[in-house]
Amino acid sequence: DTAVSQTPKYLVTQMGNDKSIKCEQNLGHDTMYWYKQDSKKFLKIMFSYNNKELIINETVPNRFSPKSPDKAHLNLHINSLELGDSAVYFCASSQDVAGGKNEQFFGPGTRLTVL
Amino acid sequence: AQKVTQAQTEISVVEKEDVTLDCVYETRDTTYYLFWYKQPPSGELVFLIRRNSFDEQNEISGRYSWNFQKSTSSFNFTITASQVVDSAVYFCALSELSSGNTGKLIFGQGTTLQVKP
Repeated sequence: DTAVSQTPKYLVTQMGNDKSIKCEQNLGHDTMYWYKQDSKKFLKIMFSYNNKELIINETVPNRFSPKSPDKAHLNLHINSLELGDSAVYFCASSQDVAGGKNEQFFGPGTRLTVL
Repeated sequence: AQKVTQAQTEISVVEKEDVTLDCVYETRDTTYYLFWYKQPPSGELVFLIRRNSFDEQNEISGRYSWNFQKSTSSFNFTITASQVVDSAVYFCALSELSSGNTGKLIFGQGTTLQVKP
């Protein structure tokens, strides 16, 4: 059984388009995250939701909008895609925030390529 | 400010060699958590270990061992008798209580380990 799943795995699109990445976890966790991994492999947090409430928004352009319809899902919508948005986007979940002590389980990643 | 430094960008060893991956962190918190993750060529991120700031005991899990030293703000990872399957990017990460109880992970730059047969 997949613990954290993301769709699609690959996304190739033109500049200016709008796209969404979906994430689902079946671990019963309360907290979900989006991370961006750039071409140099650097991982940086973008957003975090705890019980469907936004708790982290790390200076991400307004073109990026997360949505959490329920605790098991955290989707990422990106408007007006730019070349610099090309990266691998990882979804993750943890049992809860608990002061940061809980390990995060990551999805397989979505490789976004903007042409 | 919180920061994680993995000074070794790439390491190449021959199978069966021991290898240590360095991780140095900066934090003003007294309560924090350190993690190691593995990212194999297939791309997924795999959790390896968590250590809290109050537990300086070293940990061993099979061929993997971790050395946590608060005095030097380091949390190093050693692979004994490395194997080709250990080839991956390894990330050290930090989570602090003072990050507003958000669970936010600060990652190091990663160390790419190549184990040659």
